[in-house]
Amino acid sequence: AQSVAQPEDQVNVAEGNPLTVKCTYSVSGNPYLFWYVQYPNRGLQFLLKYITGDNLVKGSYGFEAEFNKSQTSFHLKKPSALVSDSALYFCALRTTDSWGKLQFGAGTQVVVTP
Amino acid sequence: SQTIHQWPATLVQPVGSPLSLECTVEGTSNPNLYWYRQAAGRGLQLLFYSVGIGQISSEVPQNLSASRPQDRQFILSSKKLLLSDSGFYLCAWNPPPTVAGNTIYFGEGSWLTVV
Repeated sequence: AQSVAQPEDQVNVAEGNPLTVKCTYSVSGNPYLFWYVQYPNRGLQFLLKYITGDNLVKGSYGFEAEFNKSQTSFHLKKPSALVSDSALYFCALRTTDSWGKLQFGAGTQVVVTP
Repeated sequence: SQTIHQWPATLVQPVGSPLSLECTVEGTSNPNLYWYRQAAGRGLQLLFYSVGIGQISSEVPQNLSASRPQDRQFILSSKKLLLSDSGFYLCAWNPPPTVAGNTIYFGEGSWLTVV
């Protein structure tokens, strides 16, 4: 069975410091990995995805993520966090055998302090 | 450009009353459509998905049902709401073709409170 995990319930970072949000996965086939962000009382916004190819994926709002097959991880990163990056972040997994089922991690609350 | 609309944005319904949440997608044809529920502000649960008109797959047995009467319309319904149906309901879509690498895009959600 496939699974996706976000081991940190909350990440606190000072504005201007690097931000990392962790995501690990378990799947038998090829993973398709996604990151979304959710602001309070809003829908999910797509940030970036990994399908194949370059392990470093660049996305919206200065975010990037690194796919690491040996560590089965897909961590989200931003070199310099902004207060406006404070939000709930979700990692999600899809496989070719379960294309209809985007499976989400539990979410990580990011708090960026001025 | 493609857009997704959900309504109503907020709904307060008594226990035992019916429910209808609507979702439409514009600017695309034959999208895959999804209903997710987010409870307690965190976990996202896939409820239903559809690959075409009249084709609905249910992920979780529950008090809800879904229908797709038109290509770009997806409706979430209940005949009798339970307190446990309260939550944030999100409609989502992805463009054809049906491949796992396609990005799923979400609407702004509908808050349902059952009282």
